[in-house]
Amino acid sequence: DIQMTQSPSSLSASVGDRVTITCQASHDISNYLNWYQQKPGKAPKLLIYDASNLETGVPSRFSGSGSGTDFTFTISSLQAEDIATYYCQQYDDLPYSFGQGTKLEIK
Amino acid sequence: QVQLQESGPGLVKPSQTLSLTCTVSGGSISSGGYYWSWIRQHPGKGLEWIGYIYYSGSTYYNPSLKSRVTISVDTSKNQFSLRLGSVTAADTAVYFCARDRDPEYNFGSGKKLSGMDVWGQGTTVTVSS
Repeated sequence: DIQMTQSPSSLSASVGDRVTITCQASHDISNYLNWYQQKPGKAPKLLIYDASNLETGVPSRFSGSGSGTDFTFTISSLQAEDIATYYCQQYDDLPYSFGQGTKLEIK
Repeated sequence: QVQLQESGPGLVKPSQTLSLTCTVSGGSISSGGYYWSWIRQHPGKGLEWIGYIYYSGSTYYNPSLKSRVTISVDTSKNQFSLRLGSVTAADTAVYFCARDRDPEYNFGSGKKLSGMDVWGQGTTVTVSS
């Protein structure tokens, strides 16, 4: 199975800050990576697919990059409503696997 | 737009079988281009993908659960279901169903998509006697 490692596991930032989360795959997964946002008590929401494509309706302050084993998720200017846990997910090989999550808090 | 809704018992006894159904509304489960997935989340933990089914009935199960899992589809009811046998307290979790875009499918004009883009709200299942 492909292991996905996210860092940091938690992050505290101020409104307006640029926030970056990284995700590393145990094997080369090309660009077969998605990013999700999960707010407390809610289902995950797809934000980015294929490493860098913004899902329809998702604000442009969210972005993703990377390929191979190293990926980055960025919020260009943190908003209060972005408080959530973020997960990466690979689909290069079955079974799908998720990173352990990054919990984002407001400072 | 497409919506998913999980249903089933919230409490299951140890050693019994957990059974959940996901009802798809606003679209057909038989439309090409989508797999239909089950994912679970243990209390306070991350996401674990259980498996998926295509409307034709083809399935893939996470090897970690494969011996206990069955996912089935009922196209006439626009539903898909999860059965997890021989449950223990370790199966206590929130269970989500999700629509999973087939990255090999042409969604029009050569557009390829991926990711689980529609999710149910989740249902909590507790395993306890």
